[in-house]
Amino acid sequence: DVKVTQSSRYLVKRTGEKVFLECVQDMDHENMFWYRQDPGLGLRLIYFSYDVKMKEKGDIPEGYSVSREKKERFSLILESASTNQTSMYLCASSPPPEFNYGYTFGSGTRLTVV
Amino acid sequence: ILNVEQSPQSLHVQEGDSTNFTCSFPSSNFYALHWYRWETAKSPEALFVMTLNGDEKKKGRISATLNTKEGYSYLYIKGSQPEDSATYLCAYNNAGGTSYGKLTFGQGTILTVHP
Repeated sequence: DVKVTQSSRYLVKRTGEKVFLECVQDMDHENMFWYRQDPGLGLRLIYFSYDVKMKEKGDIPEGYSVSREKKERFSLILESASTNQTSMYLCASSPPPEFNYGYTFGSGTRLTVV
Repeated sequence: ILNVEQSPQSLHVQEGDSTNFTCSFPSSNFYALHWYRWETAKSPEALFVMTLNGDEKKKGRISATLNTKEGYSYLYIKGSQPEDSATYLCAYNNAGGTSYGKLTFGQGTILTVHP
């Protein structure tokens, strides 16, 4: 069964901490994405990557960075966590869009910053 | 930021009712329109990927249509069951550059089916 695995389901961090959210996919997908989901706002794209070491900002990249050193792993980094980054974070992967294949999502990480 | 709108925001129906939701999206630079179902405590799951104007897709009791010229898609559920209760998300993929492959999601329609 193909999978996208996020390292933590629930995470509590303190304001100012550096936070790493890890995502690993086993489908050899080129594209990987980080979204956050907040009530009433839907899924908003933070960053995405279409190849190893390649990344592009999404709609809300401020306060975040990403790393993709290997094809299967895409990490989201909160450089200095703040309370407004309390959210559900979803990782997803997909092949190139010409495959007409939907995203495969991880199970999400609910991050609380206190 | 691209604007993808879904309506209604939430819907309560009785078991056996048929229902439908709307997704509107920009009609320019269209590449694909996705539908996802997101059940509580689970990951969003892809239902359909639609690319051609006039496309109709079906999966069991769920079907979807696409009009790229006017920028809307409908999702239909025939004979709703309690297990259909979920948030239904549509997402738009526009063409061009390195941004293609990136999806912009609507806010979702929350469906509750009462036994």
